[in-house]
Amino acid sequence: DAGVIQSPRHEVTEMGQEVTLRCKPISGHNSLFWYRQTMMRGLELLIYFNNNVPIDDSGMPEDRFSAKMPNASFSTLKIQPSEPRDSAVYFCASRLQVPEAFFGQGTRLTVV
Amino acid sequence: RKEVEQDPGPFNVPEGATVAFNCTYSNSASQSFFWYRQDCRKEPKLLMSVYSSGNEDGRFTAQLNRASQYISLLIRDSKLSDSATYLCAVNLGGNEKLTFGTGTRLTIIP
Repeated sequence: DAGVIQSPRHEVTEMGQEVTLRCKPISGHNSLFWYRQTMMRGLELLIYFNNNVPIDDSGMPEDRFSAKMPNASFSTLKIQPSEPRDSAVYFCASRLQVPEAFFGQGTRLTVV
Repeated sequence: RKEVEQDPGPFNVPEGATVAFNCTYSNSASQSFFWYRQDCRKEPKLLMSVYSSGNEDGRFTAQLNRASQYISLLIRDSKLSDSATYLCAVNLGGNEKLTFGTGTRLTIIP
């Protein structure tokens, strides 16, 4: 299995621009998570989906952030407009009916 | 109070020593517990699950103390390759979210 695939691996963008991060979960997995990791705050859960349905988005920092999962094999996390404080590593993770999750390699986002 | 708390370290330990980390959780209804390992600039990877009776995997031992609401990870005969950040994760069960601590950074010194 190819594992969780995220793209892009690195993104540098200017403040105010729209950023879209993409995730392909492991085939057959039914839960998907978006996390953000910074030195200051560690690994924070932004949102998670079960069977393509958003279950808990309480971690989404503000309205500038949105996430979708149109089908079982694809999810996006969008930031519009982006701000320098959004700079972080964004991880996507998936799982299948077991509590532990498997992570993608992450997208390192820098907003200048 | 944070849902999951860890001592961030760093722990600097000589090679061959034994080191232990704790992780506390706030929700007494938590059902599943895990230790993940994260290497620098890499993604977290599952190291081991933590079972109620405690479990061992080679040099690694994980334990759960429900009464005091913490889990622990013990590394014996530490190797240079054990240098990493160790994250604990807690889940309420089933399809609930997986919440992580901020991680404990471990450096094994030659």
